[in-house]
Amino acid sequence: KQEVTQIPAALSVPEGENLVLNCSFTDSAIYNLQWFRQDPGKGLTSLLLIQSSQREQTSGRLNASLDKSSGRSTLYSAASQPGDSATYLCAGGSNYQLIWGAGTKLIIKP
Amino acid sequence: GAVVSQHPSWVICKSGTSVKIECRSLDFQATTMFWYRQFPKQSLMLMATSNEGSKATYEQGVEKDKFLINHASLTLSTLTVTSAHPEDSSFYICSALQGRTSNQPQHFGDGTRLSIL
Repeated sequence: KQEVTQIPAALSVPEGENLVLNCSFTDSAIYNLQWFRQDPGKGLTSLLLIQSSQREQTSGRLNASLDKSSGRSTLYSAASQPGDSATYLCAGGSNYQLIWGAGTKLIIKP
Repeated sequence: GAVVSQHPSWVICKSGTSVKIECRSLDFQATTMFWYRQFPKQSLMLMATSNEGSKATYEQGVEKDKFLINHASLTLSTLTVTSAHPEDSSFYICSALQGRTSNQPQHFGDGTRLSIL
């Protein structure tokens, strides 16, 4: 049974520093791995989708990697900004069944 | 493209009221839609999978008679919380699947915050 874990649950980073968020999954047989952003009281914003055949995806300042052998995905962002403060969720699986991590609440300190 | 609209975004009502939430795919056809529930500071929990023209598939522990799902067209699914009580207060999010291939992502609505007094 697939399990997705995000550690830490909360993270505080000074503005301007690079940002690294981690996502671990137990079953390497996943179709894709997605990263989402959620602002307080709001819905989900899809950030990046990595197919199982891919090792990374990039969108703007965001880069996400996927290592199926180690069961890990990393979301990386250079030069963090206060507007990056939000909860970041990862979800792995297939398009019919997403297994969700509990999220990492990120605070960027000005 | 691939926009999902969810309505209403916020609803407050008295205990015992039934509340309907709509999920529409605006620019694509969605044969499959999903309904999630999210408690404060927790991740999303899948409630049910809705397929157009057939009965929804509910996850274990989700009451079918409590959470009625109708997916009558390729662009609309509705979730009705019947006889809502304070414990039903939560954030409900829908998503829609574009296409039938395994590598298509789910597209999410903006969620509905339900508060039962």
